[in-house]
Amino acid sequence: GEDVEQSLFLSVREGDSSVINCTYTDSSSTYLYWYKQEPGAGLQLLTYIFSNMDMKQDQRLTVLLNKKDKHLSLRIADTQTGDSAIYFCAEISNKLIFGAGTRLAVHP
Amino acid sequence: DTGVSQNPRHKITKRGQNVTFRCDPISEHNRLYWYRQTLGQGPEFLTYFQNEAQLEKSRLLSDRFSAERPKGSFSTLEIQRTEQGDSAMYLCASSLARDTGELFFGEGSRLTVL
Repeated sequence: GEDVEQSLFLSVREGDSSVINCTYTDSSSTYLYWYKQEPGAGLQLLTYIFSNMDMKQDQRLTVLLNKKDKHLSLRIADTQTGDSAIYFCAEISNKLIFGAGTRLAVHP
Repeated sequence: DTGVSQNPRHKITKRGQNVTFRCDPISEHNRLYWYRQTLGQGPEFLTYFQNEAQLEKSRLLSDRFSAERPKGSFSTLEIQRTEQGDSAMYLCASSLARDTGELFFGEGSRLTVL
């Protein structure tokens, strides 16, 4: 079946890089996504990667995909306090399946 | 059109009452999704529509839950005989049926069942 797993919590110092990891099960997923959710706000798409790509970079965000191991990661360079949020990994068949989310805490 | 709109944003009800949530998707989007999110969890898929057709329903969606999208535009999610376990954030999202499948989410409707 479809399942997405993430570590639940990550704490980093402001200015450091953050790496959030995710594993998924559905090898037929054509796209994989990272969504961000801030307190009291809706889910916001951060970035996505097509399944035939290994890496995608978008400003401070780098997505790495290891399709063989079904492992996805999101790297945030120069993490800021405004990056504090919950980050969800998601895979798509005909609907999005989300992980439980990784809460990123950024401290001075 | 600024995005996906949901109302009410908050609903407090007593156990056993019926509640209805409404979602207005982005106007050109033909797909509409309902998800449920509880504290500390990711969104769980409930159901989705393509135009007015309901194409998939999760096993999470008991017979007390019904969703409609009668004209292929807005959708309603009704919960009958609410239970305390129904307390959650109900999220609506819309998309175009295309390769990237990007979903645009509303801010959600929070249900509290007393």
